[in-house]
Amino acid sequence: DSGVTQTPKHLITATGQRVTLRCSPRSGDLSVYWYQQSLDQGLQFLIQYYNGEERAKGNILERFSAQQFPDLHSELNLSSLELGDSALYFCASSQTRGRAGELFFGEGSRLTVL
Amino acid sequence: AQTVTQSQPEMSVQEAETVTLSCTYDTSESDYYLFWYKQPPSRQMILVIRQEAYKQQNATENRFSVNFQKAAKSFSLKISDSQLGDAAMYFCAYSHTTGNQFYFGTGTSLTVIP
Repeated sequence: DSGVTQTPKHLITATGQRVTLRCSPRSGDLSVYWYQQSLDQGLQFLIQYYNGEERAKGNILERFSAQQFPDLHSELNLSSLELGDSALYFCASSQTRGRAGELFFGEGSRLTVL
Repeated sequence: AQTVTQSQPEMSVQEAETVTLSCTYDTSESDYYLFWYKQPPSRQMILVIRQEAYKQQNATENRFSVNFQKAAKSFSLKISDSQLGDAAMYFCAYSHTTGNQFYFGTGTSLTVIP
């Protein structure tokens, strides 16, 4: 158990819909990262938050948005969903305090868009 | 921008044998972290081993060890006495010491042959 919690684990929805994925980082971790992994693909970095503020942005579509709340949990909002958005969405956290360490990954949220 | 390259999309190894997965990276930094993550069929991302660039000694974790060549910017993973449970996708990753971003390679799919 990495200590990172993601909900829901599975989600099936239709094109054009909007979904919200939730992530609770490990206790004490200030940084939250979101990654997208399509079938048989590598990890695509979407966005990083540090203590409530956006720190880095990757290949995140304009239809996607994220935020990190004061209690450090994060949400990734996906709107106007398309078939190609079907993927495994990972949340990860790290300390980012002083010398950083590894990324701790949640189990992922598997999104299927029909 | 930093890049991480895994030139072997697929590898196979006989059970109980040794296999080496390759990874090269590009950076202008002198201090950083390198990681190998394992992703079994369950899709959970699991940290296998971690190397801090300022440490000359190669990291080892039981049957897993790395060959870290800083000048060559090479970071290979050696799996000894391969087991069926080692079958997975392996991702090499790089991180600044500030942990601002993590860069992942495209992965190597390892098959273990009984």
